[in-house]
Amino acid sequence: DQQVKQNSPSLSVQEGRISILNCDYTNSMFDYFLWYKKYPAEGPTFLISISSIKDKNEDGRFTVFLNKSAKHLSLHIVPSQPGDSAVYFCAASAQVWGAQKLVFGQGTRLTINP
Amino acid sequence: GAGVSQSPSNKVTEKGKDVELRCDPISGHTALYWYRQSLGQGLEFLIYFQGNSAPDKSGLPSDRFSAERTGGSVSTLTIQRTQQEDSAVYLCASSVAGGLGGGELFFGEGSRLTVL
Repeated sequence: DQQVKQNSPSLSVQEGRISILNCDYTNSMFDYFLWYKKYPAEGPTFLISISSIKDKNEDGRFTVFLNKSAKHLSLHIVPSQPGDSAVYFCAASAQVWGAQKLVFGQGTRLTINP
Repeated sequence: GAGVSQSPSNKVTEKGKDVELRCDPISGHTALYWYRQSLGQGLEFLIYFQGNSAPDKSGLPSDRFSAERTGGSVSTLTIQRTQQEDSAVYLCASSVAGGLGGGELFFGEGSRLTVL
């Protein structure tokens, strides 16, 4: 039962363009969402998060959008840079669980082409 | 250290042997988590510690898996009688406190386990 789904295993974008990574979830209890970035042979690193009381959160080149009715969130990276090439994981959790048990998606490998 | 430290970084073992994986969280972080990533899969939650207690063990895949944390710091994940399906990267993470609202997890580089 995959509660958090990233349906695109890979994405290729030209440098300078916008990268859009998508994530869908099924559990309506989720109320906190995060994106993590992972380089090879390294642990994931936190990128940006959003609470369900918001529909948008922006941090520099990174913006996360949340559509609660559609149970969908997306990460926009603009402009895309070669250093953004990595695997991106979407994650979700619920305050009522009382612990930060994150449920992760399968990841999307983003490749930025020069 | 500055970050989450895990050892060994790589472990190759024979089926049926026991293995121990160690995690040293960021100093002062009270919450500690174990995840694993199997080939082609996302990160799978295993267990969560708040201090030395484990309020959530729901992700441990079988009774061959156990974990402990002592002194509110170092944690050890033990896999007994390893099976080939246990092969994965085991990731440890810590956070300032269990709970959400900006308390993102800081991950170590992982321990890659290969069971032959």
